[in-house]
Amino acid sequence: AQSVTQPDIHITVSEGASLELRCNYSYGATPYLFWYVQSPGQGLQLLLKYFSGDTLVQGIKGFEAEFKRSQSSFNLRKPSVHWSDAAEYFCAVGGSSNTGKLIFGQGTTLQVKP
Amino acid sequence: DTGVSQNPRHKITKRGQNVTFRCDPISEHNRLYWYRQTLGQGPEFLTYFQNEAQLEKSRLLSDRFSAERPKGSFSTLEIQRTEQGDSAMYLCASSPRGTMNNEQFFGPGTRLTVL
Repeated sequence: AQSVTQPDIHITVSEGASLELRCNYSYGATPYLFWYVQSPGQGLQLLLKYFSGDTLVQGIKGFEAEFKRSQSSFNLRKPSVHWSDAAEYFCAVGGSSNTGKLIFGQGTTLQVKP
Repeated sequence: DTGVSQNPRHKITKRGQNVTFRCDPISEHNRLYWYRQTLGQGPEFLTYFQNEAQLEKSRLLSDRFSAERPKGSFSTLEIQRTEQGDSAMYLCASSPRGTMNNEQFFGPGTRLTVL
């Protein structure tokens, strides 16, 4: 079955500290992987995506993610968190199916302490 | 291009009433998706259109739900005889023509509250 697991429901970090959000996926074919961010009352904004090639991908707002096929993981990282990064983060997997529908994890809520 | 738009942004209705939501995708995006997001969960796929053709429907989409995209541009999602369990955020997304990488652009969503 296709699924995405985000093991951490809630994470709190201090402003300026580094961040890593975990994502594990189960997908039968070549996965396309995404990280989206959602601020309260807002839609989903794409942070970054992985389709193929270099397994370390750079995104917007200083985020990066590393695809590790052997671990079925696609963890999101940021070296120094800003207060404005407080939001909900979703990992998603899709593929080369005809529809392209995405399967999302349940999300990780990030709180940033001053 | 102003992105994906959805109307209304909020809808409060009484149980048993019908509601309709509208989604306007990014111009020339031929793929359109509907997702439902409940509190504390990630979005769940409901249905997918390529142009005007509805090509996939999730089992989540009961007989009370119907979606259309009559001219391959905007789409509507109707829920008949609403139930309290239908309370959720309904998200629309669109994807460019020809892409196989599934990058989807999301609208702000319509939040439905069923009393």
